[in-house]
Amino acid sequence: GAVVSQHPSWVICKSGTSVKIECRSLDFQATTMFWYRQFPKQSLMLMATSNEGSKATYEQGVEKDKFLINHASLTLSTLTVTSAHPEDSSFYICSARDSGTGPNQPQHFGDGTRLSIL
Amino acid sequence: DAKTTQPPSMDCAEGRAANLPCNHSTISGNEYVYWYRQIHSQGPQYIIHGLKNNETNEMASLIITEDRKSSTLILPHATLRDTAVYYCIVSGGGADGLTFGKGTHLIIQP
Repeated sequence: GAVVSQHPSWVICKSGTSVKIECRSLDFQATTMFWYRQFPKQSLMLMATSNEGSKATYEQGVEKDKFLINHASLTLSTLTVTSAHPEDSSFYICSARDSGTGPNQPQHFGDGTRLSIL
Repeated sequence: DAKTTQPPSMDCAEGRAANLPCNHSTISGNEYVYWYRQIHSQGPQYIIHGLKNNETNEMASLIITEDRKSSTLILPHATLRDTAVYYCIVSGGGADGLTFGKGTHLIIQP
């Protein structure tokens, strides 16, 4: 149980392109999902909290107009990197917590999306 | 969320118990201790969590000191596939994202 699927797992695109990453909770519902970013040899950094049916909450220093988040259903959140540039190349990872369990139950992570901008 | 301190790296022989320490001296009363691990180029994998009692599941055991200022993750019989970066995270849960430190790079030696 508690599987989070992320798609695509790997994408290469040209500078200026917009890229959409999907995060799905396969066997549970998630009112809240989270998006993280990880640069090489660094730890995960929280980018934003995605809330079903409402606006996402962004961490300080993360541009909301560049990283568009949509959480249209209880099982799907999407992250769109708009007008991507080489400095946006990174490993993007989502997580979700089962809304049907207690608030201290763990987050479960997807396998990440490796984004390379040429 | 409270900050945690972990050793940057540890070695352990295959088949032996791996004991990973974590200090969280500023933990609040309502914060849990979570352990995750990340194998290279994958998303973090949940291992175990606890509030104040010791916990055990099929993957590991979690020992939390009585004052809750530190904890130890125990992998009872380490295998080569347990080589990963292990993160100890303290969080109140709910709608909060997790704050990852640098973790401990555990290397299991054959």
